[in-house]
Amino acid sequence: GAVVSQHPSWVICKSGTSVKIECRSLDFQATTMFWYRQFPKQSLMLMATSNEGSKATYEQGVEKDKFLINHASLTLSTLTVTSAHPEDSSFYICSASPRRGGGETQYFGPGTRLLVL
Amino acid sequence: AQTVTQSQPEMSVQEAETVTLSCTYDTSESDYYLFWYKQPPSRQMILVIRQEAYKQQNATENRFSVNFQKAAKSFSLKISDSQLGDAAMYFCAYGGGNTPLVFGKGTRLSVIA
Repeated sequence: GAVVSQHPSWVICKSGTSVKIECRSLDFQATTMFWYRQFPKQSLMLMATSNEGSKATYEQGVEKDKFLINHASLTLSTLTVTSAHPEDSSFYICSASPRRGGGETQYFGPGTRLLVL
Repeated sequence: AQTVTQSQPEMSVQEAETVTLSCTYDTSESDYYLFWYKQPPSRQMILVIRQEAYKQQNATENRFSVNFQKAAKSFSLKISDSQLGDAAMYFCAYGGGNTPLVFGKGTRLSVIA
């Protein structure tokens, strides 16, 4: 099956610093990747849709200046949490679908645990 | 907008027995995809099974099968011969491909030895 990686798997940072999370599709190309956020014992909440070569589409209530998304290539999307605060602590997951077309299964990265002190 | 509802926050099953997890959804589309994902304690999302709405035949993957009722907008997951490794959160999802997935709230499945 298709493999998606995320780096780092977990990060602890001080309040006010920025953190970059990478999402890579290892064995397929993806024009679209998705970023989700998951709080403990809750479902996944879509944050944004990352489009290769264009601006990301953010969900309502998600601050695009705080959560910067860059989809630089067909295999890499990055999420940067700028000026992180404790309330940004969460589990961030990316997903991607092979480029072939609609309806393809989305494959998920292993997630990144972010703790802001 | 599409919605996905999982009405069972928690379920339990004896090892080797069968359990069914419920999922209903709402959509105005005629062609779409439905998925069940498993999230074990590691929190890695793992695809369990996928159903294409235009296919009448229910999808099956080894011990996992679905009961897809398109008219009723119902998509339940049956796990046969339950194993301890099946214990996890199970999420029903709608969408796929280049559209974001819409998830239900999940069902936590416990397997009792």
